Parts: sequence; structure tokens; C-alpha cells
Amino acid sequence: NAGVTQTPKFQVLKTGQSMTLQCAQDMNHNSMYWYRQDPGMGLRLIYYSASEGTTDKGEVPNGYNVSRLNKREFSLRLESAAPSQTSVYFCASLSGFNYNEQFFGPGTRLTVL
Amino acid sequence: DQQVKQNSPSLSVQEGRISILNCDYTNSMFDYFLWYKKYPAEGPTFLISISSIKDKNEDGRFTVFLNKSAKHLSLHIVPSQPGDSAVYFCAAVGGYTGTASKLTFGTGTRLQVTL
Repeated sequence: NAGVTQTPKFQVLKTGQSMTLQCAQDMNHNSMYWYRQDPGMGLRLIYYSASEGTTDKGEVPNGYNVSRLNKREFSLRLESAAPSQTSVYFCASLSGFNYNEQFFGPGTRLTVL
Repeated sequence: DQQVKQNSPSLSVQEGRISILNCDYTNSMFDYFLWYKKYPAEGPTFLISISSIKDKNEDGRFTVFLNKSAKHLSLHIVPSQPGDSAVYFCAAVGGYTGTASKLTFGTGTRLQVTL
């Protein structure tokens, strides 16, 4: 099992460019999450998907969109990147209601110039 | 409004001694707490958790204590080892949507275990 995988690992964008961060999990988990990590801020929830076909906003959703393509894949899109979106992005998944442990991917380091 | 706080950004401990990492929370609706460990350039990995109905949970060298009245939890690592050097995040569970639980993270404490 690969667990949670993310692509790309690194990306540099110019202000105004768009891109999609990809996330996939092979653990048959129902719920998936996108977080961003900034210095001194911990991890903040951007969007999550409780199950295939549903998505909901987290704490910091502005400037992002998500797609739960199927049970395995959950993508995060930046339509018009801004320097404030420079961050490390983590995808995570969770098996079900009684299990609170989320499994994280290795992260994508994004720089917006 | 930071609902989960880790007031010590860094901690240095000698190998073999006890490491104590602290976490405070403000939301009394949190009912489950987790500690995650993060190495540079990797994603966080789950370390240990505790339900609000307990006050202690132990797993090998790691013990988490919960004081609900003080809204405080701590992670004890005994004995500390150089491989424990990492950033530790405290997280609290609050808010369910169907099968999705939502974690609120603290800002992290960087632990350095010295020889």
C-alpha cells in the first residue's frame, strides 16, 4: 500500500497562474482533507470531503476549489494563484466515523512569485 | 481565534531524559485529542491519542495526559531518543459531518533531543 500520495512534490507559480494539486489514497477511506501549513500557524483545513460526491469548506477555503473525483482521488485547484498561497499543502484521509486518526501524504511545497 | 494552543515553539532535552510537550484548548466541545509527529519534508504521522473520557493513555515510551477541567493535555516521552527530534502537533476533534471528523491543530512544538 502506498497510503496517501501527492503530486507534485514542488511547484513554483507566477501570480495569476492556475494549477491543480493531486491526491490519491489506496486505503479505501471515505473521507479526505486538504490542509495548508504555514510557519507559526500549524495545519489549517482548506476543504474536506466526507464521502465520494460531497465536499465542504474548512477554515481557509478562499481562493481554492476541490473535486472529489472518485473514492480514491481528491484534487485541490488554485484558479489564480496569489503570493499568500505560498505554503506547504497536505492531503489526508480518514477511514470512518469511529476512527479519528487521519493519514497524511508527504506534502506539496508551493511557491507563488 | 486559536482554539488549540501550543505555547512552546521549541524544546531541547538531553537524550535519556523526559520530554514534556504541552497543549491547551479552549473549546469544551472537543472530545478526542491526538498527537502527530512531523519530520522535515514529510507529512505528519499519528503518534498517540486520547478520548475525553480518559485521563491517561500510554503506548510504549509515549504517554498522553488529559486534564479536562484545565483544558490541558501533555505528551510525555520517556526516555527521549535522538530519533524523537521532530515537530509535534497537538490536534483536537470537533465537528462531524457524516463520517468525516475535523481536526483542529495547534501550532506545533519543535523537539530537539541532544546527545
